[in-house]
Amino acid sequence: NAGVTQTPKFQVLKTGQSMTLQCAQDMNHEYMSWYRQDPGMGLRLIHYSVGAGITDQGEVPNGYNVSRSTTEDFPLRLLSAAPSQTSVYFCASSYGGLGSYEQYFGPGTRLTVT
Amino acid sequence: KNEVEQSPQNLTAQEGEFITINCSYSVGISALHWLQQHPGGGIVSLFMLSSGKKKHGRLIATINIQEKHSSLHITASHPRDSAVYICAVRNYGGSQGNLIFGKGTKLSVKP
Repeated sequence: NAGVTQTPKFQVLKTGQSMTLQCAQDMNHEYMSWYRQDPGMGLRLIHYSVGAGITDQGEVPNGYNVSRSTTEDFPLRLLSAAPSQTSVYFCASSYGGLGSYEQYFGPGTRLTVT
Repeated sequence: KNEVEQSPQNLTAQEGEFITINCSYSVGISALHWLQQHPGGGIVSLFMLSSGKKKHGRLIATINIQEKHSSLHITASHPRDSAVYICAVRNYGGSQGNLIFGKGTKLSVKP
């Protein structure tokens, strides 16, 4: 199993550009989530999904959209990039409800917005 | 006040030392996670526990629900244990998406 994969690993955007961070898992997990990690702060939840077709907002959803058309894929879209979105982004999946089962993380995407 | 506090923030140890990292939380929880973030950035799950103690190799995690406290111990530490260790809790009142993360403890083990 590849586990949780993320692409790209690194990305530089200009303010106002849009892009999609890709996340895929091959473990047939129902639960998937996106986090951002900033210096001096804990991981913060952006959006999550409890199954195909079902998504919900986390702690810091503004400026991001998600969709879940298949169990495997959970892309994160930045609608109009801002410097405040410079961060490292992690996708994670789990067999069951977030926090109640082991979390599997992707390798992360380092995003810089200039 | 942060809901999940870790101590120490930074820890330097000599190879072979016994290491303890602490996590205190202020909410009622249904589960607590210990995660390891390697210098390259990847995050792996070490333990998930809701009571008692778990052991995996040289790593031991304990939790005291009444005192709202968990510890991660590393016996016979090795330079490859150098990483950031993150505590996260799933609180009772949280939504499906609610994991609360600590800021992490950066461990450096010197040979």
